[in-house]
Amino acid sequence: EPEVTQTPSHQVTQMGQEVILRCVPISNHLYFYWYRQILGQKVEFLVSFYNNEISEKSEIFDDQFSVERPDGSNFTLKIRSTKLEDSAMYFCGDGLSSYNEQFFGPGTRLTVL
Amino acid sequence: SQQGEEDPQALSIQEGENATMNCSYKTSINNLQWYRQNSGRGLVHLILIRSNEREKHSGRLRVTLDTSKKSSSLLITASRAADTASYFCATVPDSNYQLIWGAGTKLIIKP
Repeated sequence: EPEVTQTPSHQVTQMGQEVILRCVPISNHLYFYWYRQILGQKVEFLVSFYNNEISEKSEIFDDQFSVERPDGSNFTLKIRSTKLEDSAMYFCGDGLSSYNEQFFGPGTRLTVL
Repeated sequence: SQQGEEDPQALSIQEGENATMNCSYKTSINNLQWYRQNSGRGLVHLILIRSNEREKHSGRLRVTLDTSKKSSSLLITASRAADTASYFCATVPDSNYQLIWGAGTKLIIKP
């Protein structure tokens, strides 16, 4: 059964460094998402992406964040200058259409030191 | 807003018993989805129920939705030790496509 995959599983970085989190969505899905979960807190929406552009973003998704689908298969989340409070589990999700199930990858644990 | 609040926060039952978790939400929704998360791991989709549906089944899972009360319940029948996990409800509002998550119910099944 097709699955969303994410790499790396764990990323440790120094404050101020740039990180790129990678996702390979399920091949025929059209809607892509990033969410994050700070340890012990709720899962929070960051951004949705459809037809090669951002369709929605939350207040968390400020100028330090960007998303890209560079080659039609990978979907990436870039954080330009990481802060301590960016430490969280980041989940990539996708869906066949806007109001269908969202399926998630196993997550990338980002630790900012 | 505190969309998607689950209760109880934690539930501990014996293997073989049924587990019921509840979720309440505030805004009008297109659908509501339940997910499972094993400790520190990924989010596994369990079931989606649309706003025009009242009940849905999948294996040992039964989900109900009451849009007049803005609430949903997830019933796991004949629980197993492997069902031990956190369970989250997440709603998709009418107005956009993002999932809005609750804080989850931590379910422990004692063998």
